[in-house]
Amino acid sequence: AQSVTQPDIHITVSEGASLELRCNYSYGATPYLFWYVQSPGQGLQLLLKYFSGDTLVQGIKGFEAEFKRSQSSFNLRKPSVHWSDAAEYFCAVGAGNQFYFGTGTSLTVIP
Amino acid sequence: GAGVSQSPRYKVTKRGQDVALRCDPISGHVSLYWYRQALGQGPEFLTYFNYEAQQDKSGLPNDRFSAERPEGSISTLTIQRTEQRDSAMYRCASSRLPGTGNYNEQFFGPGTRLTVL
Repeated sequence: AQSVTQPDIHITVSEGASLELRCNYSYGATPYLFWYVQSPGQGLQLLLKYFSGDTLVQGIKGFEAEFKRSQSSFNLRKPSVHWSDAAEYFCAVGAGNQFYFGTGTSLTVIP
Repeated sequence: GAGVSQSPRYKVTKRGQDVALRCDPISGHVSLYWYRQALGQGPEFLTYFNYEAQQDKSGLPNDRFSAERPEGSISTLTIQRTEQRDSAMYRCASSRLPGTGNYNEQFFGPGTRLTVL
C-alpha cells in the first residue's frame, strides 16, 4: 500500500537558518512526488514536484527537494528560512488516481 | 475564476442534518477532486471527476457521502444524516488536464470547515 511519512510533526528554526523537512514514501512503482505548503486560512500551494530526470528539483520561494530512490525519501530544503515560511508543509505521492499525503510538518520561525 | 473557491467556508450543523458543500474550480479545469482533512492530518482523497463523470469514488467513507458535477464545472459534496465524526476540513482541488491525478498539478481551494454538533 502507498503511504507517506513525515516523521517531524513540528520544527522550529531561527530566521536565516537552513531547513530540512523529511519525507519518506512507500510505493511500488516510480513515484510522482510533491511538496505542498498550507498557510492559515489558505489552500494548499504546490512548492515543487518530481516526476523523473534530475533528482534535485527546484521549486518556488527558494525551496528545493532531492529524490533519493535508495532511501525512499524526498526531503525538502531551504538554505535560509524567512519568517514568512512559517506554515504547514505536506509531502504527497501520486499513485494511480489518487494523491496520498503525509500528516504534515508544522514550521515555526523565530526571529 | 482566479482560483478554486469553496462555500461555505464554515458550516456548523446538528447531527442528523444533511449538508451540501460547494466547489467552484478554476475556469476551464477539467478534473476536480474532493479531500477530507482531519485536524493534524494530511488531506485524504474522497473522489474525483473528469468533466462531469465521476471517475473514482473509492475514498468516500460510506453511502452517506455523495458528490456530483452535473455540468462539468461546479461540484457539490453532500453528506446526509451527518455524524460528529464527519467534522473536518473538506477541500476541493482542480486540475487543468483530465486523466489520472498522479502527475497533474492540483490547485486547492481554501476548504470548508464542517462542525457537526
